[in-house]
Amino acid sequence: NAGVTQTPKFQVLKTGQSMTLQCAQDMNHNSMYWYRQDPGMGLRLIYYSASEGTTDKGEVPNGYNVSRLNKREFSLRLESAAPSQTSVYFCASSALAGPNNEQFFGPGTRLTVL
Amino acid sequence: GENVEQHPSTLSVQEGDSAVIKCTYSDSASNYFPWYKQELGKRPQLIIDIRSNVGEKKDQRIAVTLNKTAKHFSLHITETQPEDSAVYFCAASRTGGGADGLTFGKGTHLIIQP
Repeated sequence: NAGVTQTPKFQVLKTGQSMTLQCAQDMNHNSMYWYRQDPGMGLRLIYYSASEGTTDKGEVPNGYNVSRLNKREFSLRLESAAPSQTSVYFCASSALAGPNNEQFFGPGTRLTVL
Repeated sequence: GENVEQHPSTLSVQEGDSAVIKCTYSDSASNYFPWYKQELGKRPQLIIDIRSNVGEKKDQRIAVTLNKTAKHFSLHITETQPEDSAVYFCAASRTGGGADGLTFGKGTHLIIQP
């Protein structure tokens, strides 16, 4: 059981380049999330997918798009990267049904935009 | 939307003493309040959570209290140990951490002095 996995671990982009961050979970969870973490800012929700086939904006969605490819995979795309998107990106998942709604986090992707 | 304030931003305590971290939230509809621990360079991991129908919850040296009237909740760590050194985040959610993601505080850097 790998839990939540993310690729790549590190990435350096130039301003204007595009890229997709990949996330997958093997816990049969319904809900998946993308957060960004900046120094002194905590984690902020970018987008989430409550269930397969649905996606919704979080607190800081501008400059990002997402795709819930299937129940396991949830990708985050930067169409035209900007230095303000330099951050650590965490994917998370949770089971929707039942009392145990803990969010499990992936190891993160450290992105630098020059 | 929800706003979560967390204090202090840094907390230094002697090994063996207790540590208390406090959070306030703004959305009276929030009903799920988890606490995450994040070690340097690692992913956030859930250490304890509480739901709005409970006033206090304990797990060994860790306890969380919730005051819904005042809209604040606190993390208490007793008999602190060196391995407790980390950044701690509080969070709040309307849907039990399921459908709509978590709103995080900005974090508390807990330092355990030997």
